[in-house]
Amino acid sequence: DVKVTQSSRYLVKRTGEKVFLECVQDMDHENMFWYRQDPGLGLRLIYFSYDVKMKEKGDIPEGYSVSREKKERFSLILESASTNQTSMYLCASRFRDRGLSGELFFGEGSRLTVL
Amino acid sequence: QKEVEQNSGPLSVPEGAIASLNCTYSDRGSQSFFWYRQYSGKSPELIMSIYSNGDKEDGRFTAQLNKASQYVSLLIRDSQPSDSATYLCAVSRYGGSQGNLIFGKGTKLSVKP
Repeated sequence: DVKVTQSSRYLVKRTGEKVFLECVQDMDHENMFWYRQDPGLGLRLIYFSYDVKMKEKGDIPEGYSVSREKKERFSLILESASTNQTSMYLCASRFRDRGLSGELFFGEGSRLTVL
Repeated sequence: QKEVEQNSGPLSVPEGAIASLNCTYSDRGSQSFFWYRQYSGKSPELIMSIYSNGDKEDGRFTAQLNKASQYVSLLIRDSQPSDSATYLCAVSRYGGSQGNLIFGKGTKLSVKP
């Protein structure tokens, strides 16, 4: 069965802390994505990765960075967390060969609260 | 700014009725269109995809695409209380990086028993 696993379902951090959100997929997908979801704003793309060691900025990359050292793992990093980064973070993955037709598989989400 | 627009709802329909969800998009070059369902507190899951003009049926779900009007819709026949969820319309971006999707903000559907 398809599986995208996010390391933490709920996190509470303080302003200025460095935060790591981990995502692992077991489907050998090339493409991986990080979104955040906020009420009234919908799903917004932060960063995505076509393949290992590749990354591209999405619509709202400011304040975030990513790492893709292994195919199955895509990490989102908040270098210095701020209260406006309180949100639900969703990781997703997809086969590259399916291109624009490919289904996105989502993880269960990580709800981050920054105090 | 390329956008995907949906009515936020809530859309309320009685059990057994047809629920009609609508989506418009601004990028004329978009090629792929998706409907995701998201239950409260859960992550989105794909329920329909459509790539060419016309209708595509899968069980109780029918997706309709009109590229000339830049319009996508989802019909749910014989609506059930278990269909109560937020439905997200997603559209592929044309050009630029491959495979990016733009999501609408979602329409909340409530099916009353």
